[in-house]
Amino acid sequence: NAGVTQTPKFQVLKTGQSMTLQCAQDMNHNSMYWYRQDPGMGLRLIYYSASEGTTDKGEVPNGYNVSRLNKREFSLRLESAAPSQTSVYFCASSLRGVDEQFFGPGTRLTVL
Amino acid sequence: QKEVEQDPGPLSVPEGAIVSLNCTYSNSAFQYFMWYRQYSRKGPELLMYTYSSGNKEDGRFTAQVDKSSKYISLFIRDSQPSDSATYLCAMSRGDWGAQKLVFGQGTRLTINP
Repeated sequence: NAGVTQTPKFQVLKTGQSMTLQCAQDMNHNSMYWYRQDPGMGLRLIYYSASEGTTDKGEVPNGYNVSRLNKREFSLRLESAAPSQTSVYFCASSLRGVDEQFFGPGTRLTVL
Repeated sequence: QKEVEQDPGPLSVPEGAIVSLNCTYSNSAFQYFMWYRQYSRKGPELLMYTYSSGNKEDGRFTAQVDKSSKYISLFIRDSQPSDSATYLCAMSRGDWGAQKLVFGQGTRLTINP
């Protein structure tokens, strides 16, 4: 039982490049989330998916897109990376909205 | 002004001390309150989860919520070096479909042997 897994662990991009961050959970959870963590800012919600087939914007969605591929997988895409997107990205999942959110190990992204 | 304010520290205390961590918030609609612990270069893990006002105890950890003052606290008794981490408060209005958490900035805590 791996919990929440994220790939890649590290990534360096040049400004304007695109990439997709992958997230998968094996806990049969319904809800999935993407956060970013910047120094002094805590975690901020980018996008979330309450259930398979639905996605919604969080606090800081600009510059990102998401896909809930199936119940297990929730990907985050940067279409044209900018230095302001340099951050640590965390995926999380929960059985239902009010339940505990379990976090993945994070992806450290640097945009030059 | 941020919805959730948390002193980022750093906070350094000797082993065995009682540690008090706090957050204030401005949104009176928040009903669910959490404390997460995050070790360096790891994802956050849930420590305490409370609904509405009151206290909750789990081993050496006690969480308090005072909704009238919009203030939450986490107390750590008999602190250990293994408690050294960043502690994040988080809260939400509570949605059955998806819980949109709002986090504080995190407090970096070091317990000195």
